[in-house]
Amino acid sequence: KNQVEQSPQSLIILEGKNCTLQCNYTVSPFSNLRWYKQDTGRGPVSLTIMTFSENTKSNGRYTATLDADTKQSSLHITASQLSDSASYICVVTVDSNYQLIWGAGTKLIIKP
Amino acid sequence: DTGVSQNPRHKITKRGQNVTFRCDPISEHNRLYWYRQTLGQGPEFLTYFQNEAQLEKSRLLSDRFSAERPKGSFSTLEIQRTEQGDSAMYLCASSLGPAVSSGNTIYFGEGSWLTVV
Repeated sequence: KNQVEQSPQSLIILEGKNCTLQCNYTVSPFSNLRWYKQDTGRGPVSLTIMTFSENTKSNGRYTATLDADTKQSSLHITASQLSDSASYICVVTVDSNYQLIWGAGTKLIIKP
Repeated sequence: DTGVSQNPRHKITKRGQNVTFRCDPISEHNRLYWYRQTLGQGPEFLTYFQNEAQLEKSRLLSDRFSAERPKGSFSTLEIQRTEQGDSAMYLCASSLGPAVSSGNTIYFGEGSWLTVV
């Protein structure tokens, strides 16, 4: 069964600190992996997209990694800011026209 | 380019009423997607269009749900005879080309919240 699992479910850190969010997947055939940021009550915003051959991609203070062998991805946030408080969702694409397998997300809270 | 626009942002309706949501995708995006999201869950795919053609609708939750994109631009999602279980956020997204397999970015709207009382 195609699944995406994220950990931790929630995380609280102090402003300025770094953190890493994890994503494990069992999706086949794999096409690409995306990380989205979703503020409460808003639509998801794309952070990164990685294909099978990419093992790291950065977007400002966000750096995503992908290990296609172990089927794991991580999202590292550097020097966190209050505006980083949101849910971060890992999405893995099955190699078809529409099937995106969504994780349940990690709820990140940044405290001053 | 103002992004994907959804209206209304919030809708409260009585059980049994029909509701319609509208989505205006990013101009020149030929693919348009509808998702449903409940609290604490990731978005659940409902249907998608390439231009005016609805290429997948088997994921629509029941025959009370229907979607159209008559001219290949804006789209509407209609829910007939609403039930309390329909309460959720309905997200529209668009992309240029086959985003899913090619890795193109999918842009989401802000969502339309539905509360059925």
